[in-house]
Amino acid sequence: SQQGEEDPQALSIQEGENATMNCSYKTSINNLQWYRQNSGRGLVHLILIRSNEREKHSGRLRVTLDTSKKSSSLLITASRAADTASYFCATATGANNLFFGTGTRLTVIP
Amino acid sequence: DGGITQSPKYLFRKEGQNVTLSCEQNLNHDAMYWYRQDPGQGLRLIYYSQIVNDFQKGDIAEGYSVSREKKESFPLTVTSAQKNPTAFYLCASRLRLAGQGDTQYFGPGTRLTVL
Repeated sequence: SQQGEEDPQALSIQEGENATMNCSYKTSINNLQWYRQNSGRGLVHLILIRSNEREKHSGRLRVTLDTSKKSSSLLITASRAADTASYFCATATGANNLFFGTGTRLTVIP
Repeated sequence: DGGITQSPKYLFRKEGQNVTLSCEQNLNHDAMYWYRQDPGQGLRLIYYSQIVNDFQKGDIAEGYSVSREKKESFPLTVTSAQKNPTAFYLCASRLRLAGQGDTQYFGPGTRLTVL
């Protein structure tokens, strides 16, 4: 079953702009992760934020987590054409598995 | 795509045939996973294996079978019982980081088309 839902489903921005995508989930989690998928390829892990963390940075990525609202956001600053991809959030509960959302398709226009 | 390989990249199958998708990893990870991805949908878990000679059904196991005879290998068989097998299939293995949480490494995927 899918736990995360990303919003928006698709996003188109100009190179250099910031891109924000959101993820909402339904139950308590241990951590939340963001993955990127280039067209026709496998997923690549970007960043993990634990349930007791509120914000995390990695390069041009900034992730926030609000467990009271059961939501997370991924911000990509100064976007590049190479950032064009689908982005998925995935939640980890007490079990060993991840539950992936439906993804946000980001297009960065050069 | 890390140290996980999937083959073939593209696979065509006639209705009524069983096909086996290969997944191999050299990351020394214990756990491995198979997902199915359809257009406009996220990943759905088919089967997973925490350790050699053990595996569990995921959310959509019907029509699929797996084996885990070696740590490095986790092949997926799509049987003729799977009613709508055309999809993109992704294999992953799990990296456990002490005190951090588990993340997954994915293979490049196999696109299966039933003719």
